[in-house]
Amino acid sequence: EVQLVESGGGLVQPGGSLRLSCAASGFTFSTYWMHWVRQAPGKGLMWISRITLDGSGTSYADSVKGRFTISRDNAKNTVFLQMNSLRAEDTAVYYCVTGYSGHALGYWGQGTLVTVSS
Amino acid sequence: QTVVTQEPSFSVSPGGTVTLTCGLSSGSVSTNNFPSWYQQTPGQAPRTLIYSTNTRSSGVPDRFSGSILGNKAALTITGAQADDESHYYCLLYVGSDIWVFGGGTKLTVL
Repeated sequence: EVQLVESGGGLVQPGGSLRLSCAASGFTFSTYWMHWVRQAPGKGLMWISRITLDGSGTSYADSVKGRFTISRDNAKNTVFLQMNSLRAEDTAVYYCVTGYSGHALGYWGQGTLVTVSS
Repeated sequence: QTVVTQEPSFSVSPGGTVTLTCGLSSGSVSTNNFPSWYQQTPGQAPRTLIYSTNTRSSGVPDRFSGSILGNKAALTITGAQADDESHYYCLLYVGSDIWVFGGGTKLTVL
């Protein structure tokens, strides 16, 4: 069974940093692109970042570019999201998602809540 | 900035058919945007329904279908059921390794 378990969320002050982790199991992690998607309270989904199989290729939504960094450790079946210079508008549930055929998203984690507030 | 548009809300009667659409501010949606669709009920993670325009994800009932209608991607639910009441999001690949979600459609079945 595919499992994606996010961790690392919590309350952080504006300007602070957090590192999210997503532990994967039940599939061959190294053969999937990985994405992060977030959802602000009561709002829609927002794609924020993707990383390729070996980590050599990354991309970001404009709203997080330069502040967030995606990375992965295929030996540990884990993908990370380093979030710096956090703003109130970054408050959201952050989902770890596998890539899927045809530039789609496949398997979703349950999400971890990040709250940016003083 | 690329904007992906969806109807904010839609209503369908049980057993009825509804088509939700997904448009692109910069022009027409094509198969090269690899439209995909996701269903989300309150408090749950999204679930992948359709990818590559019209391919159903594993376990998705065949009452869900995807297509390109005119200049938009479309999700059609044929024979709507009560548990189809959810938010539906489309996702488009807009090139340069960037993806954009639509704002979502809240579907009511009543």
